[in-house]
Amino acid sequence: SAVISQKPSRDICQRGTSLTIQCQVDSQVTMMFWYRQQPGQSLTLIATANQGSEATYESGFVIDKFPISRPNLTFSTLTVSNLSPEDSSIYLCSASDRGIDSPLHFGNGTRLTVT
Amino acid sequence: RKEVEQDPGPFNVPEGATVAFNCTYSNSASQSFFWYRQDCRKEPKLLMSVYSSGNEDGRFTAQLNRASQYISLLIRDSKLSDSATYLCVVGYNFNKFYFGSGTKLNVKP
Repeated sequence: SAVISQKPSRDICQRGTSLTIQCQVDSQVTMMFWYRQQPGQSLTLIATANQGSEATYESGFVIDKFPISRPNLTFSTLTVSNLSPEDSSIYLCSASDRGIDSPLHFGNGTRLTVT
Repeated sequence: RKEVEQDPGPFNVPEGATVAFNCTYSNSASQSFFWYRQDCRKEPKLLMSVYSSGNEDGRFTAQLNRASQYISLLIRDSKLSDSATYLCVVGYNFNKFYFGSGTKLNVKP
Protein backbone atom coordinates (compact mmCIF):
# COMPACT_ATOMS: atom_id res chain seq x y z
CA SER A 1 0.00 0.00 0.00
CA ALA A 2 1.07 3.58 -0.63
CA VAL A 3 3.11 5.39 1.98
CA ILE A 4 2.25 9.05 2.28
CA SER A 5 4.48 11.76 3.69
CA GLN A 6 2.84 15.02 4.63
CA LYS A 7 4.47 18.19 5.85
CA PRO A 8 4.49 20.25 7.87
CA SER A 9 3.09 18.13 10.65
CA ARG A 10 1.97 21.21 12.50
CA ASP A 11 2.12 24.97 12.20
CA ILE A 12 0.93 28.08 13.96
CA CYS A 13 0.04 30.89 11.58
CA GLN A 14 -1.21 34.42 11.89
CA ARG A 15 -4.55 35.37 10.48
CA GLY A 16 -4.41 36.72 6.97
CA THR A 17 -1.43 34.60 5.97
CA SER A 18 -1.42 31.33 4.02
CA LEU A 19 -0.11 27.85 4.66
CA THR A 20 0.89 25.36 1.99
CA ILE A 21 0.84 21.68 2.87
CA GLN A 22 2.80 19.17 0.84
CA CYS A 23 1.89 15.55 0.25
CA GLN A 24 4.29 13.04 -1.28
CA VAL A 25 3.33 9.45 -2.11
CA ASP A 26 5.96 6.77 -2.57
CA SER A 27 4.23 5.34 -5.66
CA GLN A 28 2.00 6.54 -8.44
CA VAL A 29 -1.61 6.65 -7.32
CA THR A 30 -4.85 7.11 -9.17
CA MET A 31 -6.52 9.44 -6.73
CA MET A 32 -5.40 11.98 -4.17
CA PHE A 33 -7.74 13.77 -1.82
CA TRP A 34 -7.60 16.46 0.80
CA TYR A 35 -9.70 16.24 3.93
CA ARG A 36 -10.25 18.49 6.89
CA GLN A 37 -10.97 17.24 10.38
CA GLN A 38 -12.12 19.81 12.89
CA PRO A 39 -11.80 19.09 16.60
CA GLY A 40 -14.05 16.29 17.73
CA GLN A 41 -15.52 15.78 14.29
CA SER A 42 -15.10 13.39 11.42
CA LEU A 43 -13.37 13.99 8.13
CA THR A 44 -14.81 16.35 5.55
CA LEU A 45 -13.68 16.07 1.96
CA ILE A 46 -12.31 19.36 0.67
CA ALA A 47 -11.42 18.34 -2.87
CA THR A 48 -10.10 15.70 -5.19
CA ALA A 49 -6.68 16.59 -6.55
CA ASN A 50 -6.62 15.84 -10.27
CA GLN A 51 -3.32 15.24 -11.98
CA GLY A 52 -2.63 17.93 -14.56
CA SER A 53 -5.94 19.73 -14.18
CA GLU A 54 -7.95 21.76 -11.72
CA ALA A 55 -9.07 20.11 -8.52
CA THR A 56 -12.68 19.11 -7.99
CA TYR A 57 -14.07 20.88 -4.93
CA GLU A 58 -16.85 19.79 -2.63
CA SER A 59 -19.73 22.03 -1.72
CA GLY A 60 -18.58 24.75 0.63
CA PHE A 61 -14.97 24.75 -0.52
CA VAL A 62 -13.64 27.04 -3.22
CA ILE A 63 -10.43 27.29 -5.18
CA ASP A 64 -9.63 30.82 -4.04
CA LYS A 65 -9.54 29.68 -0.42
CA PHE A 66 -8.05 26.20 -0.95
CA PRO A 67 -5.91 26.18 -4.09
CA ILE A 68 -4.61 22.71 -4.87
CA SER A 69 -1.88 21.53 -7.17
CA ARG A 70 -1.14 18.06 -8.45
CA PRO A 71 1.66 18.22 -11.00
CA ASN A 72 2.17 14.45 -11.19
CA LEU A 73 0.86 11.14 -9.89
CA THR A 74 2.85 11.22 -6.64
CA PHE A 75 2.66 14.78 -5.33
CA SER A 76 0.06 17.35 -4.34
CA THR A 77 -0.14 20.56 -2.36
CA LEU A 78 -3.00 22.23 -0.55
CA THR A 79 -2.83 25.90 0.32
CA VAL A 80 -5.13 27.36 2.93
CA SER A 81 -5.33 31.05 2.07
CA ASN A 82 -6.21 34.17 4.00
CA LEU A 83 -6.24 32.29 7.26
CA SER A 84 -8.76 32.92 10.00
CA PRO A 85 -9.14 31.17 13.36
CA GLU A 86 -11.98 29.10 11.87
CA ASP A 87 -9.37 27.39 9.65
CA SER A 88 -7.72 25.87 12.70
CA SER A 89 -8.04 22.17 12.02
CA ILE A 90 -6.22 19.05 10.97
CA TYR A 91 -5.70 18.73 7.24
CA LEU A 92 -5.17 15.25 5.84
CA CYS A 93 -3.82 14.13 2.52
CA SER A 94 -4.97 10.75 1.29
CA ALA A 95 -4.48 8.55 -1.72
CA SER A 96 -6.02 5.49 -3.29
CA ASP A 97 -4.02 3.07 -5.42
CA ARG A 98 -6.79 1.96 -7.72
CA GLY A 99 -9.80 4.17 -7.19
CA ILE A 100 -12.67 3.53 -4.84
CA ASP A 101 -12.27 -0.24 -4.92
CA SER A 102 -9.10 0.08 -2.91
CA PRO A 103 -8.92 1.73 0.49
CA LEU A 104 -7.63 5.19 1.23
CA HIS A 105 -4.30 5.67 2.91
CA PHE A 106 -3.48 8.80 4.84
CA GLY A 107 -0.59 11.03 5.58
CA ASN A 108 -0.07 11.81 9.24
CA GLY A 109 -1.89 15.11 8.95
CA THR A 110 -1.08 18.76 9.43
CA ARG A 111 -2.32 20.38 12.59
CA LEU A 112 -2.93 24.06 11.84
CA THR A 113 -3.56 26.67 14.51
CA VAL A 114 -4.43 30.19 13.42
CA THR A 115 -3.89 32.96 15.92
CA ARG B 1 -29.23 13.87 5.25
CA LYS B 2 -25.64 12.79 5.76
CA GLU B 3 -24.08 10.37 3.31
CA VAL B 4 -22.87 8.10 6.10
CA GLU B 5 -24.24 7.96 9.63
CA GLN B 6 -22.89 6.35 12.76
CA ASP B 7 -23.83 6.32 16.42
CA PRO B 8 -21.13 8.51 18.02
CA GLY B 9 -21.18 6.51 21.26
CA PRO B 10 -19.19 6.30 23.40
CA PHE B 11 -19.49 2.59 23.87
CA ASN B 12 -17.99 1.74 27.25
CA VAL B 13 -17.29 -1.98 27.56
CA PRO B 14 -15.21 -4.20 29.84
CA GLU B 15 -12.24 -6.13 28.58
CA GLY B 16 -13.28 -9.37 26.95
CA ALA B 17 -16.69 -8.11 25.90
CA THR B 18 -18.12 -8.32 22.42
CA VAL B 19 -19.23 -5.04 20.89
CA ALA B 20 -20.89 -4.20 17.59
CA PHE B 21 -21.18 -0.98 15.62
CA ASN B 22 -23.49 -0.21 12.72
CA CYS B 23 -23.19 2.37 10.03
CA THR B 24 -25.87 3.36 7.52
CA TYR B 25 -25.31 4.92 4.13
CA SER B 26 -27.75 6.86 1.99
CA ASN B 27 -26.60 6.18 -1.56
CA SER B 28 -27.75 2.82 -2.90
CA ALA B 29 -25.12 3.05 -5.64
CA SER B 30 -22.30 2.89 -3.11
CA GLN B 31 -19.57 0.60 -4.35
CA SER B 32 -17.03 0.03 -1.63
CA PHE B 33 -17.03 -0.07 2.14
CA PHE B 34 -14.35 0.12 4.78
CA TRP B 35 -13.80 0.40 8.50
CA TYR B 36 -11.04 2.63 9.78
CA ARG B 37 -9.66 3.12 13.22
CA GLN B 38 -8.53 6.51 14.44
CA ASP B 39 -6.59 7.01 17.64
CA CYS B 40 -6.60 10.37 19.37
CA ARG B 41 -4.64 12.99 17.43
CA LYS B 42 -3.62 10.49 14.76
CA GLU B 43 -4.61 9.89 11.17
CA PRO B 44 -7.20 7.20 10.32
CA LYS B 45 -5.78 3.77 9.60
CA LEU B 46 -7.50 1.06 7.62
CA LEU B 47 -8.92 -1.67 9.82
CA MET B 48 -10.58 -3.74 7.16
CA SER B 49 -12.44 -3.64 3.89
CA VAL B 50 -16.02 -4.90 3.91
CA TYR B 51 -17.07 -7.41 1.29
CA SER B 52 -20.54 -8.45 0.22
CA SER B 53 -20.09 -11.92 1.66
CA GLY B 54 -18.83 -10.58 4.97
CA ASN B 55 -15.29 -11.02 6.15
CA GLU B 56 -13.33 -11.72 9.28
CA ASP B 57 -9.88 -10.73 10.45
CA GLY B 58 -9.00 -12.23 13.81
CA ARG B 59 -11.32 -10.76 16.41
CA PHE B 60 -12.95 -8.43 13.90
CA THR B 61 -15.89 -9.30 11.66
CA ALA B 62 -17.42 -6.95 9.11
CA GLN B 63 -20.70 -7.41 7.28
CA LEU B 64 -22.54 -5.58 4.55
CA ASN B 65 -26.29 -5.47 4.11
CA ARG B 66 -27.03 -3.83 0.78
CA ALA B 67 -30.79 -4.22 1.06
CA SER B 68 -30.88 -2.20 4.27
CA GLN B 69 -27.87 -0.08 3.36
CA TYR B 70 -25.77 -0.65 6.41
CA ILE B 71 -22.46 -2.16 7.37
CA SER B 72 -21.46 -3.53 10.71
CA LEU B 73 -18.30 -4.19 12.68
CA LEU B 74 -18.15 -6.79 15.44
CA ILE B 75 -15.24 -6.91 17.86
CA ARG B 76 -14.88 -10.01 19.99
CA ASP B 77 -12.83 -10.36 23.16
CA SER B 78 -12.21 -6.61 23.40
CA LYS B 79 -8.75 -5.46 24.44
CA LEU B 80 -7.76 -2.22 26.12
CA SER B 81 -5.85 -1.41 22.94
CA ASP B 82 -9.09 -1.49 20.94
CA SER B 83 -10.07 1.82 22.52
CA ALA B 84 -10.31 4.26 19.61
CA THR B 85 -12.79 5.87 17.26
CA TYR B 86 -14.06 3.63 14.48
CA LEU B 87 -14.92 5.30 11.22
CA CYS B 88 -17.18 3.88 8.57
CA VAL B 89 -16.18 4.84 5.01
CA VAL B 90 -18.20 4.43 1.85
CA GLY B 91 -16.97 4.87 -1.70
CA TYR B 92 -19.21 5.69 -4.67
CA ASN B 93 -19.47 7.60 -7.91
CA PHE B 94 -16.13 6.09 -8.95
CA ASN B 95 -14.05 8.65 -7.13
CA LYS B 96 -15.54 9.71 -3.80
CA PHE B 97 -15.09 8.44 -0.29
CA TYR B 98 -17.35 9.63 2.48
CA PHE B 99 -16.72 9.20 6.18
CA GLY B 100 -19.10 8.65 9.02
CA SER B 101 -18.70 10.77 12.12
CA GLY B 102 -17.13 7.86 13.98
CA THR B 103 -18.07 5.69 16.94
CA LYS B 104 -15.97 6.03 20.04
CA LEU B 105 -15.09 2.84 21.90
CA ASN B 106 -13.69 2.76 25.41
CA VAL B 107 -12.56 -0.64 26.66
CA LYS B 108 -12.09 -0.66 30.41
CA PRO B 109 -10.17 -3.07 32.64
